[in-house]
Amino acid sequence: SAVISQKPSRDICQRGTSLTIQCQVDSQVTMMFWYRQQPGQSLTLIATANQGSEATYESGFVIDKFPISRPNLTFSTLTVSNMSPEDSSIYLCSVERDRNSYEQYFGPGTRLTVT
Amino acid sequence: RKEVEQDPGPFNVPEGATVAFNCTYSNSASQSFFWYRQDCRKEPKLLMSVYSSGNEDGRFTAQLNRASQYISLLIRDSKLSDSATYLCVGADSSYKLIFGSGTRLLVRP
Repeated sequence: SAVISQKPSRDICQRGTSLTIQCQVDSQVTMMFWYRQQPGQSLTLIATANQGSEATYESGFVIDKFPISRPNLTFSTLTVSNMSPEDSSIYLCSVERDRNSYEQYFGPGTRLTVT
Repeated sequence: RKEVEQDPGPFNVPEGATVAFNCTYSNSASQSFFWYRQDCRKEPKLLMSVYSSGNEDGRFTAQLNRASQYISLLIRDSKLSDSATYLCVGADSSYKLIFGSGTRLLVRP
């Protein structure tokens, strides 16, 4: 597995503001992903963070709302822009270390509450 | 229809019991399957991958039936520490993971 850290671990934000979440991995990985887990729900993939190019977004998620950076093979950020209470959720990053296995390992998550 | 469907439970079992979870998937192109465990307010942790031949890890056994498109997880000799939500996950050829909604397990003394 990989050691993955996320910052902040939690935050309470006002609507209309933006929050940037950081994800740091202890070793270089090819694939990094961002997920959302809304209260009482399972995980939904937001996007794949591609190193050196634009992120690949899933249906229902757009770059203007969730801009993502991936400057190198160990770090990525997800910004939640112009927040509303509906964005209250846990945001998790994950990594895939071995492209042949499809196994993903998750960071501890960022618990976001929008008031 | 959800791509990965699980019984949400909860399954409430005594310590030492054997419990089985089933999961069905609708995308026949799914290539890999996993069981993740998620404790309350924690991130999902990979429990085991699921192979067509079946695989066992201690008290845990996972099976995949491609013809019927279902995956199972068997937990023997349940421990209090097994209480968690178990997520059934499929992966297609593009690495995308599809998560089931999870099955809650409560193991009581």
